[in-house]
Formats: sequence, structure tokens, C-alpha cells
Amino acid sequence: AQSVTQPDIHITVSEGASLELRCNYSYGATPYLFWYVQSPGQGLQLLLKYFSGDTLVQGIKGFEAEFKRSQSSFNLRKPSVHWSDAAEYFCAVGAGTSGTYKYIFGTGTRLKVLA
Amino acid sequence: ETGVTQSPTHLIKTRGQQVTLRCSSQSGHNTVSWYQQALGQGPQFIFQYYREEENGRGNFPPRFSGLQFPNYSSELNVNALELDDSALYLCASSLDAQPQHFGDGTRLSIL
Repeated sequence: AQSVTQPDIHITVSEGASLELRCNYSYGATPYLFWYVQSPGQGLQLLLKYFSGDTLVQGIKGFEAEFKRSQSSFNLRKPSVHWSDAAEYFCAVGAGTSGTYKYIFGTGTRLKVLA
Repeated sequence: ETGVTQSPTHLIKTRGQQVTLRCSSQSGHNTVSWYQQALGQGPQFIFQYYREEENGRGNFPPRFSGLQFPNYSSELNVNALELDDSALYLCASSLDAQPQHFGDGTRLSIL
């Protein structure tokens, strides 16, 4: 079955520190992978996506993610966190079956940034 | 370029009532997907509409239904509301399959 696991429910980092959010997926074919960010009371904003090609993808707001097929992972990274990055982050895999294309989301990682 | 807009932003209903949520797609998009996000959870796929036809459904009962209009806007209808239907309902639009762009959602509370 297709699934996405985000092992860390909460992460706290100091402003200026580096960040890595973990994501593992289970999908039979070549996955399309996404990271979204959700601020309180808001919808989901697309940070970056991986479809094919270079396994290191760059996104908005200084985020990047690396696809590692051997580890079934798509971890999100940022070299220096800003206070405005505090939000909830969701990893998703795009799953297409019989013409339907849905996203399967993880349960999210809530990021807290200390001043 | 106008993004995905949803209305209303908040809604309070009681058990047994019916509700309609609305979504305007991003300009140029022909596919709309609806998701339910319960508190503390990731979004769960409800169904998808492509060119006015339902194009797939998640594990939701038939009392969840929808429509897509010729301008690609969409409605989500929920009948016989239950307490567990309290959630944030997200609409996402895309050109064909992806990537999906999300609106800010409708927060539905059932009393």
C-alpha cells in the first residue's frame, strides 16, 4: 500500500540553525514527491517537487530536498532557519491509479523556531 | 494569476444538516481535488473532478458528493453531517494531474 511517514511530529530549532525534516515513502513505481508548508489557519503552499532527473531539488524560501531511492526517502533541508519558517510541513507522494491522481500525505512535522 | 479560492472560510453546522463548500480553481486549471484534514492529521483524499466528471474517490461514504462546473469551479456537498466531519476541507486545482495548488480551506465545525 502507498504511504508516507514523517517520523518527527515536532521539531524545535534555534533561529539560524540548520534544519532537516525526514520523510519516508512506500510506493511501487517511480514516485512523484512533494513538500508543502502550512501556516496556522492557512492552506498548503508548495515548497518543492520531485518528478525525475536530478535527485537534489531546490524550492522556494531557501529549501531543498534530496530524493534517495535506495532509502525511500525525500528529506527536506534548509541551511539556516528563519523565525518565519515556523509552521507545519507535509510530505506527499503523488499516486496515480486508473486515471485518478491523488496525493497521499504524511501526518506532518510541526516546526518551532527559537529566537 | 488568481490562485485557488474557497468559500466560506468558516462554517458551523449541527448533526444531520447538509453543507455545500465552494472552490474556484486557479486560472487555466481543469482538475479539482478535495481533501479532508482532521485536526493534527495530514490531508486525506476525498475525490477528484476532471472536466466535470468524477475521476476517482477516496475512502469516503456516498454522502460526500461533488460537482465541477464548465468554468472548472467545484462544490463539495456533505449530507447527514456527523461530528467526525469536523475538519478543514481543502480544495486543490491543477492542470491535468499536477502539481496541485491548494486553497486556504473551509473550517467546518459540527455541533
